[in-house]
Formats: sequence, C-alpha cells, structure tokens
Amino acid sequence: EIVLAQSPATLSLSPGERATLSCRASQSVGTYLAWYQQKPGQAPRLLIYDASNRATGTPARFSGSGSGTDFSLTISSLEPEDFAVYYCQERSDWPRLTFGGGTKVDIK
Amino acid sequence: EVQLVESGGGLVKPGGSLRLSCAASGFIFSGYSMNWVRQAPGKGLEWVASISSSSSDIFYGDSVQGRFTISRDNAKNSLHLQMNNLRADDTAIYFCARDRGIASAALAYWGQGALVTVSS
Repeated sequence: EIVLAQSPATLSLSPGERATLSCRASQSVGTYLAWYQQKPGQAPRLLIYDASNRATGTPARFSGSGSGTDFSLTISSLEPEDFAVYYCQERSDWPRLTFGGGTKVDIK
Repeated sequence: EVQLVESGGGLVKPGGSLRLSCAASGFIFSGYSMNWVRQAPGKGLEWVASISSSSSDIFYGDSVQGRFTISRDNAKNSLHLQMNNLRADDTAIYFCARDRGIASAALAYWGQGALVTVSS
C-alpha cells in the first residue's frame, strides 16, 4: 500500500507570498498524481492532474511538478481565495486511490 | 454543466444500513468510471469504492470491503452505495466523484456530499 506524506501540515503565509507544498510517496507512482483544493463546507476541487497539468479553470499561478516519489504544488503569489486545505492523491494501482493527509494554507 | 447530487444520508444506529444515491447530469454517464470518497469530521479524504463504466470492475477500500456495495444504473444516470453493518467510524460526508477520463488518475467532478452519522 502506497502512503502519501504531505508537508508541512500547516503553512502560514501572507497574500502575495509564494507557497510550496510537498507530497512524498512511499514508492514510485510515476506521474499518476493529482492535487485538490478544499475550502470549509465544500467538496474538493481538482487543480492539477498527471503531476503537472492544470485542470480546466485552474489559475496559472498554480503549478505542479515532480515524478516518481517527490512532488510539489506551487502557488506563485497567494490570492485571498487560495487559503484552504490542499490534498495530493495517487492512483498508480488503478482504480485504488490514496490521498495524502493534507496541507492547510492559512493567513499569517 | 456536469452535476453530481448525492442523497440518502442521515442518522443510523450502529449495525444498521443506509443507501446513498448520486444523480448525474451534464455528461455521458455510461462513459465514465465513478467513485465514492468519504471524509470523517475534521479529517482527510478516504477512498471508499470505484466502479467502471459498465460495472464490470468494482473495487473497495479495505475498511468497507464486505460491508459496502457500489452499483450504478446507466439507464437512470445514477450511482449508489449500499452500506450495511455500519459502525461509528463510518460517520463521514460521502462524496460521489467522476473520473477525469479513461484510466485517469484524477477525480474531475465531485458532488456536494451526503452526511452519514452512525450513532446510538
């Protein structure tokens, strides 16, 4: 069973700052990795698929990178609406899904 | 516009049963694999089950295997989750979600969720 470790658990930043979130897999998942944003009381929203492709409607300030076991999600300049929880998810053993524990990006 | 609307949530006693449904619209339902994902209060996301477009392939997470049954009705554009022998740790919001595409790793569309509370 693949385990996804997200770090840090909480990231405290100010609007306009750059955010870098990490997701590390216990074994290689290739590029079968996605990132989601979830705000309180809402369903998760797909941001990035296949490690680096922006989903429809994802602003250009969001970018994903990595392959194998190490991945990152970068928000180049935080907007007020970006403060939320972010989850990574892998599916290298389709259709089984594994989610990371999440990173909360909150306002400093 | 893709829409997924869950229904059937509620309060149930331990050992009881509940059936969730997800009504799909805005896309060709029979062309996509579908999934259930849950989120316990204040916790992260947990995959529950997946079903292929034709129902030929069905998979469950370890924590629900043998107790939950996923099914779909392509004629009615609906997805279901029959939950039996419910336990307190099944308390969660249950989301239905659609694959982004064939053999895609990502879940592109999500419903708003249905709250299931298991308590005596």
